[in-house]
Amino acid sequence: DAKTTQPPSMDCAEGRAANLPCNHSTISGNEYVYWYRQIHSQGPQYIIHGLKNNETNEMASLIITEDRKSSTLILPHATLRDTAVYYCIVRALINGGSQGNLIFGKGTKLSVKP
Amino acid sequence: SQTIHQWPATLVQPVGSPLSLECTVEGTSNPNLYWYRQAAGRGLQLLFYSVGIGQISSEVPQNLSASRPQDRQFILSSKKLLLSDSGFYLCAWMWGGTSSYEQYFGPGTRLTVT
Repeated sequence: DAKTTQPPSMDCAEGRAANLPCNHSTISGNEYVYWYRQIHSQGPQYIIHGLKNNETNEMASLIITEDRKSSTLILPHATLRDTAVYYCIVRALINGGSQGNLIFGKGTKLSVKP
Repeated sequence: SQTIHQWPATLVQPVGSPLSLECTVEGTSNPNLYWYRQAAGRGLQLLFYSVGIGQISSEVPQNLSASRPQDRQFILSSKKLLLSDSGFYLCAWMWGGTSSYEQYFGPGTRLTVT
């Protein structure tokens, strides 16, 4: 699986958009980009995933560059409750399906400040 | 809707004592089940995963074992705990046979080995 690179930490003002970058320059054509977050002392929470098109759900938007070598997770209006470690994970399907693990790196610690 | 339970929430055990952590999932059938560990200040490490009753895959050889006696029950065990077994243990589930890596995590068990 492709390796991902994320900044170790970021700050964001409450109410502003939080833009979290992820570099995955070695991504291959069948690998998806997944985002999870982990609020302190809780289990990780799935946010969103995508292959090549931009995606949006009730939590966030995922923007993937045309060459797929990087992506950005956007929290449009960050709140204090969005303070967490955000993980960008690249993973391919195995034999057309998924069965195995997610490999969590160190992620980006996002601090939303009032 | 689906719910994942883990217990106990916290546990303090002496070195050399046995361990049994339980995870159950409600509202789904034939899920893939996962055990992760997060040591203090470190990332998540996959320990075991299971795609069906009695089917266990170990990602890291160590002092722990896992069992899946029922479709929606996953147990993590140890015969003799080590100090290095301390950490935050997380159980997760995923739709079986799916083509996605959306995993849903339980609340976790914080284990301290003294």
